[in-house]
Amino acid sequence: KAGVTQTPRYLIKTRGQQVTLSCSPISGHRSVSWYQQTPGQGLQFLFEYFSETQRNKGNFPGRFSGRQFSNSRSEMNVSTLELGDSALYLCASSLERLAAETQYFGPGTRLLVL
Amino acid sequence: KNEVEQSPQNLTAQEGEFITINCSYSVGISALHWLQQHPGGGIVSLFMLSSGKKKHGRLIATINIQEKHSSLHITASHPRDSAVYICAVRQRGSQGNLIFGKGTKLSVKP
Repeated sequence: KAGVTQTPRYLIKTRGQQVTLSCSPISGHRSVSWYQQTPGQGLQFLFEYFSETQRNKGNFPGRFSGRQFSNSRSEMNVSTLELGDSALYLCASSLERLAAETQYFGPGTRLLVL
Repeated sequence: KNEVEQSPQNLTAQEGEFITINCSYSVGISALHWLQQHPGGGIVSLFMLSSGKKKHGRLIATINIQEKHSSLHITASHPRDSAVYICAVRQRGSQGNLIFGKGTKLSVKP
């Protein structure tokens, strides 16, 4: 089976712009979670989608949003980018709700905000 | 104080040494995960534990729920084990939020 894929892998944006990142889970996996990783804060949970519904959200402002499609692919969007949004954004998929499952991580999208 | 603390932050070992990385947490949990992150960012999930002990190859993970403590052991370490090891806990009742430790950077010298 193909692993979790994320596109794009690298992205440069300027402050105030918006960005959309994409994640394709492992075939058959229904749960997709998103994480932000920065040198200062480490890994932080953004949100989880399961069956096209957001099931849980971490402590991030409303500028961070996401959605999941019927084929389980997920996108996350960050509007009005700030310098502090520069980070590695990782998605992970699992068969069922992540609370009960081992997750499989994608390679990440490295976002640089100038 | 962070809810998940790992020690040590950095660890250098010689090839073949036995390695232990510790994780302590302060919240009630439903599960604990050990993750491995190689340079470049890719993360691999090593173990998910809710009790006892799990073994996979040269890796062993243990958890003591009463003590709120977990350890990751690597036997016969090898340079390819060099990576950042991250402990994450799934908080009980939080619908699945993962809380991450800051990671332990392991370097195994040949």
